[in-house]
Amino acid sequence: DVKVTQSSRYLVKRTGEKVFLECVQDMDHENMFWYRQDPGLGLRLIYFSYDVKMKEKGDIPEGYSVSREKKERFSLILESASTNQTSMYLCASLAGHSYEQYFGPGTRLTVT
Amino acid sequence: GENVEQHPSTLSVQEGDSAVIKCTYSDSASNYFPWYKQELGKRPQLIIDIRSNVGEKKDQRIAVTLNKTAKHFSLHITETQPEDSAVYFCAASSTGTASKLTFGTGTRLQVTL
Repeated sequence: DVKVTQSSRYLVKRTGEKVFLECVQDMDHENMFWYRQDPGLGLRLIYFSYDVKMKEKGDIPEGYSVSREKKERFSLILESASTNQTSMYLCASLAGHSYEQYFGPGTRLTVT
Repeated sequence: GENVEQHPSTLSVQEGDSAVIKCTYSDSASNYFPWYKQELGKRPQLIIDIRSNVGEKKDQRIAVTLNKTAKHFSLHITETQPEDSAVYFCAASSTGTASKLTFGTGTRLQVTL
């Protein structure tokens, strides 16, 4: 059974803080993704990675960066958090050229 | 890039009725179309998908249809039950797999008793 975990379910940060969101998968999947989910906007892709140390921008990368030093771990970094980054953040992983993205439970981030 | 529009944003049906959710896509190269279901407070999960060489696919009470010419695809749920209440997301990809999905904005389905 695929397991994707995220470091926090809820997080409250102040404007200007540096924020790290961690995602870990235990199924040796090559691909990992970060999305943000906002009401009425669906799931929007921030960044994805298809291999260690490889990353590609998604549809809304501004204000975010990522790190993938190990295959099982994909981190999302908010260099200087802003209130418009208050959102639900979902991580997902995918095996090779497969058909199902497995999602983590999500991190609800509030920036005040 | 790809743009996926999804309608309606909310849908309320009585238990036992059918529900239909529609999506349109913009990129004619898209060839893989999955549907994800997200129950309240839970993570999205794949429920059914269809590839561009197929016009319809069924799995028990759910079915998906694809019209490549019109660039739209639909999710059909028959004999709805309370446990079908959730947010449903359609998505499209031009890679033939789930490696680069563009999601729709979601439909909140409420099945009432």
